[in-house]
Amino acid sequence: ILNVEQSPQSLHVQEGDSTNFTCSFPSSNFYALHWYRWETAKSPEALFVMTLNGDEKKKGRISATLNTKEGYSYLYIKGSQPEDSATYLCAFQVSYNTDKLIFGTGTRLQVFP
Amino acid sequence: EAQVTQNPRYLITVTGKKLTVTCSQNMNHEYMSWYRQDPGLGLRQIYYSMNVEVTDKGDVPEGYKVSRKEKRNFPLILESPSPNQTSLYFCASRRGPDSNQPQHFGDGTRLSIL
Repeated sequence: ILNVEQSPQSLHVQEGDSTNFTCSFPSSNFYALHWYRWETAKSPEALFVMTLNGDEKKKGRISATLNTKEGYSYLYIKGSQPEDSATYLCAFQVSYNTDKLIFGTGTRLQVFP
Repeated sequence: EAQVTQNPRYLITVTGKKLTVTCSQNMNHEYMSWYRQDPGLGLRQIYYSMNVEVTDKGDVPEGYKVSRKEKRNFPLILESPSPNQTSLYFCASRRGPDSNQPQHFGDGTRLSIL
C-alpha cells in the first residue's frame, strides 16, 4: 500500500514568520509530486508539480524542493501572511500512464496577524 | 473561463435513493477523477478516467459507479447511497500524460445521506 505522509498536521505561526513542512512519499517508482493549496470553503489549487530529483520551484513567497532518492519534499513559506492560512496538500503520482494520485492528509497552516 | 463544474453543490437525501453528481470540464482534458474528502483522511480517489470509455478504480471505489461517454463529462453515480457515503466530493481534470500537469478541481459537492 502506497502511503504519503505530511508533517506537521497543523501549524500556527505569527505574521512575518517563515515556515516549512514536509511531504514523505515512496522513493521507488517515483514519477511526480504535486503540491496544492486548499483554502477553507474553496477547492484545492495547484502550486507545483515536481518531477526531477533536486528540483526547486518558486511562486512568490512559496517555494518547494524535491528529493526523490530519499522520498521527501519540503514546502517553504517566507514571511507568512494571514492570507497564506490554508491546508497544504501533497500528492504522489504513481506513474506516467496513469492518473492515479495518492494524497497526504495535509498540513493546516494558520497565520496570526 | 477554464473550469470544472460540479452539480449539485449540496444535496441531502435518504438511504437507497439513487443519485448522480455531474461533472463537466471545458478544457479538453483527457484525464478526469473523482475524490472524496473526509476529516482526518485527506482526499481519496474514487475513480479516474484517462479517456472516453476508459475508467479505473481508485482507492475507494465501493458503492460508486462512473461513466465517461464524452470527453467533457464524468458523472459519479451512487446506485444505493448509504450514510457512510456522506462526504465532500471533488471532481478534477488534468490535461493528460504530461508529467508537469496539475489537477484542476471543481468547487465540490457536499452530500449528506440520511
